[in-house]
Amino acid sequence: ETGVTQSPTHLIKTRGQQVTLRCSSQSGHNTVSWYQQALGQGPQFIFQYYREEENGRGNFPPRFSGLQFPNYSSELNVNALELDDSALYLCASSWGGSSYEQYFGPGTRLTVT
Amino acid sequence: KQEVTQIPAALSVPEGENLVLNCSFTDSAIYNLQWFRQDPGKGLTSLLLIQSSQREQTSGRLNASLDKSSGRSTLYIAASQPGDSATYLCAFYTGGGNKLTFGTGTQLKVEL
Repeated sequence: ETGVTQSPTHLIKTRGQQVTLRCSSQSGHNTVSWYQQALGQGPQFIFQYYREEENGRGNFPPRFSGLQFPNYSSELNVNALELDDSALYLCASSWGGSSYEQYFGPGTRLTVT
Repeated sequence: KQEVTQIPAALSVPEGENLVLNCSFTDSAIYNLQWFRQDPGKGLTSLLLIQSSQREQTSGRLNASLDKSSGRSTLYIAASQPGDSATYLCAFYTGGGNKLTFGTGTQLKVEL
């Protein structure tokens, strides 16, 4: 059984640019959730995708968008990057869209300069 | 809005001590609760999941309890070891059950 994987591991971008982060869900899982973790803080929920549809969104602006593919892998896109977007981005996969145990990937560290 | 508080924010103990990490929440309408461990710069490792109908779960030296009426959960670590050094996060499934709301974590250091 393959766990949750994320790419890239680290990324440095300039303010105003756009970035795409990728997540492959654990085998057998159909739900992917994305979280942003600023330094010294707990992760904050961005949104969740269940069977290729958005299934809940946190308090993030529209420049944060996502996609889930038929194989249940997912992308997180962030447009017009701001310095405050610098964070660890975590994705988690689960089976089912509600209250099922989530399994996290290693994260992507994004630095915006 | 669910608020999750973890006390203490940081803790340093000698090896072998039994310790308790606390997590409190304001909204009792939670679904499940999960405790995680996070090593510096790394992702989250799930330690224990307590379903809303349960009161506690145990795994090895770890025991987690959930008291919805008082808005509290505790993580008990027995016979702590240096390898237990990490940040411990509690999180609740809220908002219809599809998102985790996290506390800010307790940074634990176990010294030889």
